[in-house]
Amino acid sequence: GAVVSQHPSWVICKSGTSVKIECRSLDFQATTMFWYRQFPKQSLMLMATSNEGSKATYEQGVEKDKFLINHASLTLSTLTVTSAHPEDSSFYICSARFEGRPETQYFGPGTRLLVL
Amino acid sequence: GESVGLHLPTLSVQEGDNSIINCAYSNSASDYFIWYKQESGKGPQFIIDIRSNMDKRQGQRVTVLLNKTVKHLSLQIAATQPGDSAVYFCAENIRDDKIIFGKGTRLHILP
Repeated sequence: GAVVSQHPSWVICKSGTSVKIECRSLDFQATTMFWYRQFPKQSLMLMATSNEGSKATYEQGVEKDKFLINHASLTLSTLTVTSAHPEDSSFYICSARFEGRPETQYFGPGTRLLVL
Repeated sequence: GESVGLHLPTLSVQEGDNSIINCAYSNSASDYFIWYKQESGKGPQFIIDIRSNMDKRQGQRVTVLLNKTVKHLSLQIAATQPGDSAVYFCAENIRDDKIIFGKGTRLHILP
């Protein structure tokens, strides 16, 4: 149990286009979902926290107008990278938590984004 | 900046030996710590966790030690195997809020 999926697993897009990444909790309802970004040979950096039905809370330095997060249901959150540029190329990882405790947080497999 | 850091970016260990990966954290309010394993191109995989009211916890072939006095966390892997090759991250959580990751250590297994 406690499986989190992401779609797509990888995506290549042209500069200036928008890309949507989906994060789904497959066998539980996630009250909170998190989005992380990871550049090569670096750690995971938290981008934002989203609660179902409310606006996401963004970490300092993350542009909310560029990284649109929607958490419309208890099993789905989406991250849209708007007007993507090559510097947005990264590994995006989501996680989902079904209770308030971090012990109930599970990570997705990640989405590799390459912007040409 | 990051409140969790690691002493060694790369650790090479002979197959069969024990591995010890260290981590220093700076936030004394952290009350929950986790070790994750990340293989290339994959998401982080939970290994073991520990609450701040404990100083040691054991799992299958892994042990986590927590020293709150010096804000130090370590992961011990017994009888290291080739499949243990990965990057290991310590992470912390404050008051059941978000999980923040440390810098990571790459574990390389020597044949």
